[in-house]
Amino acid sequence: QVHLQQWGPGLVKPSETLSLTCVVSGGSFNSYYWTWIRQPPGKGLEWIGDILSTGTTNDSPSLKSRVSMSVDTSKNQFSLRLTSVTAADTAVYFCARGVDTGYVGSYLDYWGPGALVTVSS
Amino acid sequence: DIQMTQSPSSLSASVGDRVTITCRASQIMNSYVNWYQQKPGTAPKLLISGASSLRNGFPSRFRGSGSGTDFTLTISNLQPEDFAIYYCQQTSSRPHSFGQGTKLEIK
Repeated sequence: QVHLQQWGPGLVKPSETLSLTCVVSGGSFNSYYWTWIRQPPGKGLEWIGDILSTGTTNDSPSLKSRVSMSVDTSKNQFSLRLTSVTAADTAVYFCARGVDTGYVGSYLDYWGPGALVTVSS
Repeated sequence: DIQMTQSPSSLSASVGDRVTITCRASQIMNSYVNWYQQKPGTAPKLLISGASSLRNGFPSRFRGSGSGTDFTLTISNLQPEDFAIYYCQQTSSRPHSFGQGTKLEIK
């Protein structure tokens, strides 16, 4: 059974950098799109970006280059950094495994439990 | 970016009812639409992939359909455990955007 667990500071000050890490257990780390999604309190889901085990990344233009992602295949983990945070970045951040079917797109089949990150001074 | 317009935003129904949730994409796409179910305080769960493939663990009363720009999730014979928030997602092009969500509540 694949399991994802994320961790990081629950409180970040405005203008600082949010950092989260997600570790994957119970399955292969290769050939998947390791994905970050966030959900502001009481609101919907926002796709942040994904990263392959090779290090190739894709991120959302709406975050205007504040996002960087990295992967550590030796530890089966991947990380998210979001710079210059504001209160608008307060959200539950999820990590998830993306599977590319090759013919009907991709899907997110395993998710971490989510981590609330609050941006406040 | 592709926008996914989901409707309705909320829906009130009774046990045993049949409901339909719709997602309209801003561009024509193949079957690159997924549906997720989210219950309070938990991560979303993949419900349907590739527009119509029901995932293991979900009963056959859930049905996904659609093509082009219009996709639907139909739930028949609603059960108490089905009351949740449902999201569509497109994976035709990045960013892999989600619909705004539909909150399905008990009437």
